[in-house]
Amino acid sequence: GAGVSQSPSNKVTEKGKDVELRCDPISGHTALYWYRQSLGQGLEFLIYFQGNSAPDKSGLPSDRFSAERTGGSVSTLTIQRTQQEDSAVYLCASSSDSGNTIYFGEGSWLTVV
Amino acid sequence: GNSVTQMEGPVTLSEEAFLTINCTYTATGYPSLFWYVQYPGEGLQLLLKATKADDKGSNKGFEATYRKETTSFHLEKGSVQVSDSAVYFCALSGRSGGYNKLIFGAGTRLAVHP
Repeated sequence: GAGVSQSPSNKVTEKGKDVELRCDPISGHTALYWYRQSLGQGLEFLIYFQGNSAPDKSGLPSDRFSAERTGGSVSTLTIQRTQQEDSAVYLCASSSDSGNTIYFGEGSWLTVV
Repeated sequence: GNSVTQMEGPVTLSEEAFLTINCTYTATGYPSLFWYVQYPGEGLQLLLKATKADDKGSNKGFEATYRKETTSFHLEKGSVQVSDSAVYFCALSGRSGGYNKLIFGAGTRLAVHP
């Protein structure tokens, strides 16, 4: 597609449920990032994928968070046993291997009630 | 580690006023510097960037100059419009663990009134 596509755009879930957020990066981009933006906060790095290399998971806040990237393209961020503090906008971004400009999707707004 | 510090908001201006949003950074090596903008209800958009010292990035009347001596990348616009109301994020991209990792500042909200 023309840009980074994320779904769902909005998700309301009950505390304790699992959620999956999907990201479809720009075609041909080998690098994929997940960030989190909490209300009134800056952007927090979560995880990075590059080609077939092992992902950098150093930003994941707890073991309830995981992400995978299948076939070097689409990525899914999974949050297990959601808590209210997980409420945030989850942003996906991608970049080409050689470029250093990172393009963002519009985000998935997660509300845990 | 790498970090970005930008001025706290909100910044409130009248239309046609001059805008400066300060941004300073700490980084090893030679990072690239960016300004991203987030309009209400929209995703992050790249506004401008600079990849080496003394480079000036510009877009939509906004400018920022990469100043290595002061480790700064201040955003400026000569005459703001109501449509510029948004949150502005300063960011750096430095090689970390073998890839370009974006580090963001906390964001500065700009409100422009007619």
